[in-house]
Amino acid sequence: DQQVKQNSPSLSVQEGRISILNCDYTNSMFDYFLWYKKYPAEGPTFLISISSIKDKNEDGRFTVFLNKSAKHLSLHIVPSQPGDSAVYFCAASAAAGAQKLVFGQGTRLTINP
Amino acid sequence: NAGVMQNPRHLVRRRGQEARLRCSPMKGHSHVYWYRQLPEEGLKFMVYLQKENIIDESGMPKERFSAEFPKEGPSILRIQQVVRGDSAAYFCASSPVGSYEQYFGPGTRLTVT
Repeated sequence: DQQVKQNSPSLSVQEGRISILNCDYTNSMFDYFLWYKKYPAEGPTFLISISSIKDKNEDGRFTVFLNKSAKHLSLHIVPSQPGDSAVYFCAASAAAGAQKLVFGQGTRLTINP
Repeated sequence: NAGVMQNPRHLVRRRGQEARLRCSPMKGHSHVYWYRQLPEEGLKFMVYLQKENIIDESGMPKERFSAEFPKEGPSILRIQQVVRGDSAAYFCASSPVGSYEQYFGPGTRLTVT
């Protein structure tokens, strides 16, 4: 049972344009959502998060949007840079779930010069 | 401030041997989580520990796997009698009290031959 889904295994975007990565979830108990970036042979790096009481959180070039009614969140990166090429994971947590993270399968983002 | 440390980074074991993976959390973090990533998949939660306590082990296989976080020293994930299917990247994460955000180590890549 995949509670967090990233339906696009890969995404290719031109440098300078906006990258939009999507994530859907099924468990209505999730109340906190996070995005991680991962390079090969390294651990995931925390990027940005959002609580379920908000619908938007922004940090520099990164913005996360949450649509609770649709159980959907997205990560916007603008402008996209070559160093943004990596695998991006969406993760969700429920306060009642002892804070363990449930991850999506990841989306491989490639920024083309 | 050093990040989460894991060792070894790479571990090769023959079928039937034991694997011990170590994790030192970030300074000031008292919560430790272990996750496993199989090839081309997302990270899967295994266990959540605080000092001397296992809080949630719902993701741990019932046999051969155990984890501890002693009062002194690193957290240890132990896999007894390894099989080929245990080959994966094992990531440790830590968080401070009251935070949903988890910070990951570089991982240990276990190969069972």
